Amino acid sequence: DTAVSQTPKYLVTQMGNDKSIKCEQNLGHDTMYWYKQDSKKFLKIMFSYNNKELIINETVPNRFSPKSPDKAHLNLHINSLELGDSAVYFCASSQPGPPFFGPGTRLTVL
Amino acid sequence: AQTVTQSQPEMSVQEAETVTLSCTYDTSESDYYLFWYKQPPSRQMILVIRQEAYKQQNATENRFSVNFQKAAKSFSLKISDSQLGDAAMYFCAYRSRRDDKIIFGKGTRLHILP
Repeated sequence: DTAVSQTPKYLVTQMGNDKSIKCEQNLGHDTMYWYKQDSKKFLKIMFSYNNKELIINETVPNRFSPKSPDKAHLNLHINSLELGDSAVYFCASSQPGPPFFGPGTRLTVL
Repeated sequence: AQTVTQSQPEMSVQEAETVTLSCTYDTSESDYYLFWYKQPPSRQMILVIRQEAYKQQNATENRFSVNFQKAAKSFSLKISDSQLGDAAMYFCAYRSRRDDKIIFGKGTRLHILP
């Protein structure tokens, strides 16, 4: 009965690889987000989708590509991973009101 | 652009005492939401309390309450009867009603001293 789920929870990979993180929500929310939390714990919005449509696209390198096959899913694909991409990535969903967060994916790029 | 500022990177409080975490924000909008989230070492983001800007009454959830000063753009969190389990990072967040953007402060790490 998990509200917002992400897979995988941990991801360790080499520089230059391509990886994906999947997110699913069963709350019936229209809006989904990706946030990046860096080593200093700062949470920065990356993308926002509303009912499968891209609404917010912050200044994120185009190596990051979100994809929303339906309003319950928002995946994040990252090409050519760099050391600086190491962080925790959170998926979240919301209606008007507070976002509900997934457990986060800790990405480590070696 | 909206901003959220948490001026206390770290705070400590004795168990059973009361502590207040500060948050200020900047916006030109009149209708918005404000939230406090707790992030324990498990890294899960947990909603602590929410406030809608049009409501004058301060929100309360058990031992957690806010002091919402709309004119001053201030939204502080008070934790009463602090418990060891309250030790965590606390984030203040702003959500515009106009768009879906949610902005977080840089967080305050709260230590509870036994």
